[in-house]
Amino acid sequence: GENVEQHPSTLSVQEGDSAVIKCTYSDSASNYFPWYKQELGKGPQLIIDIRSNVGEKKDQRIAVTLNKTAKHFSLHITETQPEDSAVYFCAASIRGGSYIPTFGRGTSLIVHP
Amino acid sequence: DSGVTQTPKHLITATGQRVTLRCSPRSGDLSVYWYQQSLDQGLQFLIQYYNGEERAKGNILERFSAQQFPDLHSELNLSSLELGDSALYFCASSAAGTYEQFFGPGTRLTVL
Repeated sequence: GENVEQHPSTLSVQEGDSAVIKCTYSDSASNYFPWYKQELGKGPQLIIDIRSNVGEKKDQRIAVTLNKTAKHFSLHITETQPEDSAVYFCAASIRGGSYIPTFGRGTSLIVHP
Repeated sequence: DSGVTQTPKHLITATGQRVTLRCSPRSGDLSVYWYQQSLDQGLQFLIQYYNGEERAKGNILERFSAQQFPDLHSELNLSSLELGDSALYFCASSAAGTYEQFFGPGTRLTVL
């Protein structure tokens, strides 16, 4: 089955800095890669996703890049703010049939004011 | 607010007991997914239902079962509970033909 590795497990940055979280996956058939943000006491929330036919996607301060050859994808957050502090999960899944994501173990992002 | 509701928010019970967790998906969503989140295992997919039928199964124990009712709400039944079943249980829903899953706020289960 699919295996998703996520690094780092903890990331501490100063407000205004950029943050990068990296994930690798094992199944070359995976073609959908969502990123979720989980705040304390809440469920994961989808913040951005990318499909295999796209190399990069941006949404305001958030961007995701995908390298299918190397089987890795990354989340980039620019101009970080204290409210970006949360746990971020990457996931990988295969399009078609039942879409079931395999999640990384999560990255705890701490943005210091 | 994702539009997915889960009850109860917290549940404390003893080993050997049985509990039922309830999930109401977003209006119109036919798919319901159940996940278990623990510190040592991360976020693990348990089971998916689509319009009342089981669609996919993940790492769900035989002591656990689920169903989706005609009104599309779903219940996850956990029986013969063990200490290791203590975790957050999330329900998510998605619309037909879409990838995006919307997660509920979760039920925190504590088994003593």
